[in-house]
Amino acid sequence: EAGVAQSPRYKIIEKRQSVAFWCNPISGHATLYWYQQILGQGPKLLIQFQNNGVVDDSQLPKDRFSAERLKGVDSTLKIQPAKLEDSAVYLCASSPDRGVHEQYFGPGTRLTVT
Amino acid sequence: KQEVTQIPAALSVPEGENLVLNCSFTDSAIYNLQWFRQDPGKGLTSLLLIQSSQREQTSGRLNASLDKSSGRSTLYIAASQPGDSATYLCAARDSNYQLIWGAGTKLIIKP
Repeated sequence: EAGVAQSPRYKIIEKRQSVAFWCNPISGHATLYWYQQILGQGPKLLIQFQNNGVVDDSQLPKDRFSAERLKGVDSTLKIQPAKLEDSAVYLCASSPDRGVHEQYFGPGTRLTVT
Repeated sequence: KQEVTQIPAALSVPEGENLVLNCSFTDSAIYNLQWFRQDPGKGLTSLLLIQSSQREQTSGRLNASLDKSSGRSTLYIAASQPGDSATYLCAARDSNYQLIWGAGTKLIIKP
């Protein structure tokens, strides 16, 4: 079974530029998560999708971050414009459904904003 | 609001030693608690998941315990090896089914 795929693996941009990350979850998984992990901290949930609907985006900075999951499969997370404090690893995870199901994580995208 | 703390932030031990990593949480109303491993440049790998009704889980040289009443979980690693070097994170699943994460313990096993 293929795992969660993410691209790119690394990205370096200047502040005020835009960037997009892509995630392909495990086949058949209804729930998809985007996390932000700043160096030395645990992951912080940015947004949770159930199929193509948003379940929780309470910690997503909506003035600059956006995410979509068209057709309930792949997902894209965008930052526009980026700030220095957005430098972090962005992790995508998927699970079979909502609730207590185990989450499976992708390798992450390391973003550096200069 | 659930808060998860991991102490120490970093730990260095000689190869072959047994060691314990600690995780504490403030709200005992959790569904489960999970231990993850994170290697540099890689994602998170789930090691053990303990349901709220369980006291411990074992996988190979790893043993995780859960004491909800005291708000504590421990990860025991037996006969440590250099390949065990990584950051270990714990996460508690709260009443909203969300994972609340600790900041992790960076473990270095010296050959």
